Amino acid sequence: AQRVTQPEKLLSVFKGAPVELKCNYSYSGSPELFWYVQYSRQRLQLLLRHISRESIKGFTADLNKGETSFHLKKPFAQEEDSAMYYCALFTGGGNKLTFGTGTQLKVEL
Amino acid sequence: GAGVSQTPSNKVTEKGKYVELRCDPISGHTALYWYRQSLGQGPEFLIYFQGTGAADDSGLPNDRFFAVRPEGSVSTLKIQRTERGDSAVYLCASSLIAGDYEQYFGPGTRLTVT
Repeated sequence: AQRVTQPEKLLSVFKGAPVELKCNYSYSGSPELFWYVQYSRQRLQLLLRHISRESIKGFTADLNKGETSFHLKKPFAQEEDSAMYYCALFTGGGNKLTFGTGTQLKVEL
Repeated sequence: GAGVSQTPSNKVTEKGKYVELRCDPISGHTALYWYRQSLGQGPEFLIYFQGTGAADDSGLPNDRFFAVRPEGSVSTLKIQRTERGDSAVYLCASSLIAGDYEQYFGPGTRLTVT
């Protein structure tokens, strides 16, 4: 069965500091991984996906199949990055997303 | 354009009652998904529709839960004989086609069973 693990419930960093939100997955098939973000009082929205290998709002994430990880990184945190971040695994056969429990990122001034 | 909408935004009901939660997907999106998010957890898959048919209902917790999408657009999630453990935020999402990676989420319905 597939599983997504986000070990940190809360991550607090200072503005300008580097950020790394950890995500590990377990899946027997070929994984498709995503990061979703939920800002305060807004709906859940896609931040980035590993297949596009793009940087969104300064965030990047690299799929490491050897370590079964998909950590989200940003070199310099901004106050507006404060939000709830969810790592998610797409299982194509089921056309569904399996989410981790989420990490609350708090960027302090 | 308009995103996914869900009604009601909040629903309080008594244990044992029946509730219906509605989802209106983005126009033209053929795939529709229901998730449930309990406090402190990530969204958990319930059921997925491709058009009018339920393509995967493996996430429905038991037979008290049922969902329909009769015309391939609006969907209703129905919960019979509600229990306090059903309290959660119910999220709906849609995507253009089945297998499309990007799912667009609605604001959710917060269900509280007293």
